Amino acid sequence: DGGITQSPKYLFRKEGQNVTLSCEQNLNHDAMYWYRQDPGQGLRLIYYSQIVNDFQKGDIAEGYSVSREKKESFPLTVTSAQKNPTAFYLCASAPRGGSETQYFGPGTRLLVL
Amino acid sequence: GDSVTQMEGPVTLSEEAFLTINCTYTATGYPSLFWYVQYPGEGLQLLLKATKADDKGSNKGFEATYRKETTSFHLEKGSVQVSDSAVYFCALKTSYDKVIFGPGTSLSVIP
Repeated sequence: DGGITQSPKYLFRKEGQNVTLSCEQNLNHDAMYWYRQDPGQGLRLIYYSQIVNDFQKGDIAEGYSVSREKKESFPLTVTSAQKNPTAFYLCASAPRGGSETQYFGPGTRLLVL
Repeated sequence: GDSVTQMEGPVTLSEEAFLTINCTYTATGYPSLFWYVQYPGEGLQLLLKATKADDKGSNKGFEATYRKETTSFHLEKGSVQVSDSAVYFCALKTSYDKVIFGPGTSLSVIP
């Protein structure tokens, strides 16, 4: 089945540690996105990528980094510079251009120990 | 810049009541408009969409019409069910593939 997978479902980070969240899609979509969702709040865009080897900062990119070496994969690293990383992280993908909708993964909940 | 505004929640309705969730947007050009639904602990699912002015999106009894003159995309349902309890997000997609979400509106439907 085509879709987006995120792993792990839950992730624990220690102080000063970098952690990487995985996002993989087999929908052949060019565009991929990372959002952060805090409890009771909406989605805020962290990074997005329209094509392999290219990505743009969203509204809250500080303390995060991404790479887009393959079309199918868009991993997000939460660095130690992100002082408040506890949140629900959602990955999405979409065909490039046009009016096609985004498809979302199931999310990863990051908690700080 | 581009933005989406939604009515504040939470919204609590009795089963079979009429639902309206207001959404207005600010955007350059001609964005596509979407409503997504999120159930607890899950990702977002597309509920409906409209790609040009006066288009009506509909799905599962929900409807929304793209009103360019009022820059609005209000979500409506004639008779809500308990299973409709969720968070609803209005969103727009710009011509350069950036998607902007509203803050979400939590809906609780009680029997």
